[in-house]
Amino acid sequence: AAGVIQSPRHLIKEKRETATLKCYPIPRHDTVYWYQQGPGQDPQFLISFYEKMQSDKGSIPDRFSAQQFSDYHSELNMSSLELGDSALYFCASSPPMRPENEQYFGPGTRLTVT
Amino acid sequence: SQQGEEDPQALSIQEGENATMNCSYKTSINNLQWYRQNSGRGLVHLILIRSNEREKHSGRLRVTLDTSKKSSSLLITASRAADTASYFCATVMDSSYKLIFGSGTRLLVRP
Repeated sequence: AAGVIQSPRHLIKEKRETATLKCYPIPRHDTVYWYQQGPGQDPQFLISFYEKMQSDKGSIPDRFSAQQFSDYHSELNMSSLELGDSALYFCASSPPMRPENEQYFGPGTRLTVT
Repeated sequence: SQQGEEDPQALSIQEGENATMNCSYKTSINNLQWYRQNSGRGLVHLILIRSNEREKHSGRLRVTLDTSKKSSSLLITASRAADTASYFCATVMDSSYKLIFGSGTRLLVRP
């Protein structure tokens, strides 16, 4: 069965650089969520999109922006990177009609800022 | 944690024993879910229990929910070395579909 795809899987950037993370949800899933998990921390919700519109916003820094495209894939853009942005970034998707149910997570992108 | 605490933070047991993890949360919820994460990898959904349910089973997993105490427990019976992972509870509110995670329990099952 198709799963959530994230790219790249690993990314190394320097401080003040920019990064773009991509997420391809499971086919026919219309909602995408982004989470950030720092070392030894629990995942924290950043932002979500439903039918290409932002549906919820969490603790996402102003330096970050995201969008969902017409093919439902999503991109998380991160600018002026800081050392504290080093984390695992997960994308998850959920199917239509039952958004309160389980989310399907991708393998994550490990971002290292040096 | 943005939601509450899980206890214990770490648990080490012998293969074949049962493992119990507890989770507390702060707000009223639509449902509570448990996820598993192998070291540095993605989260895998294990089980979902709705706010009007008190207990649910799935294979070797048993989940309970006490909404009056705002707490849940996950029991893994007859543990296996392959159960070694971090386990997170996550809540979903009626007003929002985002997952709010607890701080997780690191489970080590010794062969």
